[in-house]
Amino acid sequence: DAGVIQSPRHEVTEMGQEVTLRCKPISGHDYLFWYRQTMMRGLELLIYFNNNVPIDDSGMPEDRFSAKMPNASFSTLKIQPSEPRDSAVYFCASSLAGVTPYEQYFGPGTRLTVT
Amino acid sequence: RKEVEQDPGPFNVPEGATVAFNCTYSNSASQSFFWYRQDCRKEPKLLMSVYSSGNEDGRFTAQLNRASQYISLLIRDSKLSDSATYLCVVNPVSPGANNLFFGTGTRLTVIP
Repeated sequence: DAGVIQSPRHEVTEMGQEVTLRCKPISGHDYLFWYRQTMMRGLELLIYFNNNVPIDDSGMPEDRFSAKMPNASFSTLKIQPSEPRDSAVYFCASSLAGVTPYEQYFGPGTRLTVT
Repeated sequence: RKEVEQDPGPFNVPEGATVAFNCTYSNSASQSFFWYRQDCRKEPKLLMSVYSSGNEDGRFTAQLNRASQYISLLIRDSKLSDSATYLCVVNPVSPGANNLFFGTGTRLTVIP
């Protein structure tokens, strides 16, 4: 079975540019999470969705960040405009409530560098 | 105060050694606890859940101390393949919440 798929795997962009990260969760999973990981702050939850509806976006750092989940098989995280301090690894994860609700399956991550 | 705190290490141990990690959590009402493992430049993966009575999975033993609000992971007979970062993870109290709080991780290197 395919796991969580993320694209691109690496992104290098200049300050001020728009960045769009993409995620395809595991089929049938009803929760989707976006995380950011840095050496200093570890793994931080940005936002999560349940059945395509955003539940908690309190981790989104500021208005430059936005996330959407137009259907059960696709989500995007957009940064506009990007800044050097946004450089991090961004992970998408999905899980299935009711079975093993707290086992989150992570994608391989997108390594973002903003110069 | 962070939800979950861990000693970042690194822990450098010889093969065959026993090593233990602890982490503390801030919310006394937290109900669910886990250890995730993250290999270098890879994604985190669930290693094991932590139950109130303590639980074991092969060489790995997890324990929970609710009174002191800490969780431990013991690895016996360390293998080279155990080298990774171990993340302590807590589920918050909010009913129906499926999100998790991750510690910053403890890095383990097993030396030949």
